Amino acid sequence: GAVVSQHPSRVICKSGTSVKIECRSLDFQATTMFWYRQFPKQSLMLMATSNEGSKATYEQGVEKDKFLINHASLTLSTLTVTSAHPEDSSFYICSARPWETSRDTQYFGPGTRLTVL
Amino acid sequence: QKEVEQNSGPLSVPEGAIASLNCTYSDRGSQSFFWYRQYSGKSPELIMSIYSNGDKEDGRFTAQLNKASQYVSLLIRDSQPSDSATYLCAVNIGRGSTLGRLYFGRGTQLTVWP
Repeated sequence: GAVVSQHPSRVICKSGTSVKIECRSLDFQATTMFWYRQFPKQSLMLMATSNEGSKATYEQGVEKDKFLINHASLTLSTLTVTSAHPEDSSFYICSARPWETSRDTQYFGPGTRLTVL
Repeated sequence: QKEVEQNSGPLSVPEGAIASLNCTYSDRGSQSFFWYRQYSGKSPELIMSIYSNGDKEDGRFTAQLNKASQYVSLLIRDSQPSDSATYLCAVNIGRGSTLGRLYFGRGTQLTVWP
């Protein structure tokens, strides 16, 4: 089956620092990757859509300068939370859509729990 | 504003019963719909996808879609305690290069008691 990994799985940082989260498709190539955020007791909220080799498309209300997304290859996308603050503490989940499918099938990574002190 | 609404939970059913989960969506142009299961602290896992009106069955799970009513549901037959989780309804709102953009409902927490 299609596997998506995320690294790190958990990170704790001080307020004001930047944190990078990696999302990798391990056994398939992904033209499109998605980044979601989930606060406690709430549902997943789509943050941005990332296509390989082009700029990410951000959802309304998501600050592109705060959440930097890079999709430099067909198997790797990164999300950098810049100058993180406690309100950025959340569960960040990526998903990847294989390039060879015309359907919108996507596979989710295991998530990264970010805690900003 | 594209919205996905799920019936409020939590839902509690005895083992062996049928659990019924409902979802409505606002974007009439949506073409694909998904049910995910999420255990606490974990990422969602896909249970069912449905694209056409009617029913789609996979084992103990049946998804039902009615595009005219903008309604999608999930039935879980012979519910097991291991089915206890939060069930998320998701609707694809993307097109073309953004195909796969999913809007999720808030989820319905299901508890199956022995």
